[in-house]
Amino acid sequence: GAVVSQHPSWVICKSGTSVKIECRSLDFQATTMFWYRQFPKQSLMLMATSNEGSKATYEQGVEKDKFLINHASLTLSTLTVTSAHPEDSSFYICSARDQGGTGSEQFFGPGTRLTVL
Amino acid sequence: QKEVEQNSGPLSVPEGAIASLNCTYSDRGSQSFFWYRQYSGKSPELIMSIYSNGDKEDGRFTAQLNKASQYVSLLIRDSQPSDSATYLCAVNPSSSNTGKLIFGQGTTLQVKP
Repeated sequence: GAVVSQHPSWVICKSGTSVKIECRSLDFQATTMFWYRQFPKQSLMLMATSNEGSKATYEQGVEKDKFLINHASLTLSTLTVTSAHPEDSSFYICSARDQGGTGSEQFFGPGTRLTVL
Repeated sequence: QKEVEQNSGPLSVPEGAIASLNCTYSDRGSQSFFWYRQYSGKSPELIMSIYSNGDKEDGRFTAQLNKASQYVSLLIRDSQPSDSATYLCAVNPSSSNTGKLIFGQGTTLQVKP
């Protein structure tokens, strides 16, 4: 149980294009999902908390107009990197909190490696 | 002061030894603590969660929590080369009602055959 998928697993795009990343909880419902970014040799940095049916909550310093988050259902959240630039190249990882769970455990997707040329 | 602090390592132990990984946190009101393992190029994998003071054992892993000292640790017994990875400590801050986690920078563990 507690499986989270992400698609795509990697993407290469040209500067200025937009990229959409999907995060799905496969065997549980997730009212809340989280989006992280990880640069090489660094830890996970929380970008935003995605709430089903409402606006995402962004961490300080994260541009909400650049990183669009939509949480349309209890099993799907999407992150769109708009007008991507080389500095946006990173490992993007989503996680989901099991709505039926008793704790705060988050289960991570396999990540999406974004390379912007 | 960082919210969650870990020694980045690397921590090197011989195969079969006990590896001890440590983490301190600044939010005294935190209630939930987690250890994740991350292999190079992969996403984190949950190993242990702990919510109460004391020890919690799961196989070769033991998590220890001391809220008074704001300290949480992970012991890995009979370390294996396959345990070589980065171990991330994560804390759910008291200010959050969404379950968000704050991660430490991670400790790299190397288990040498």
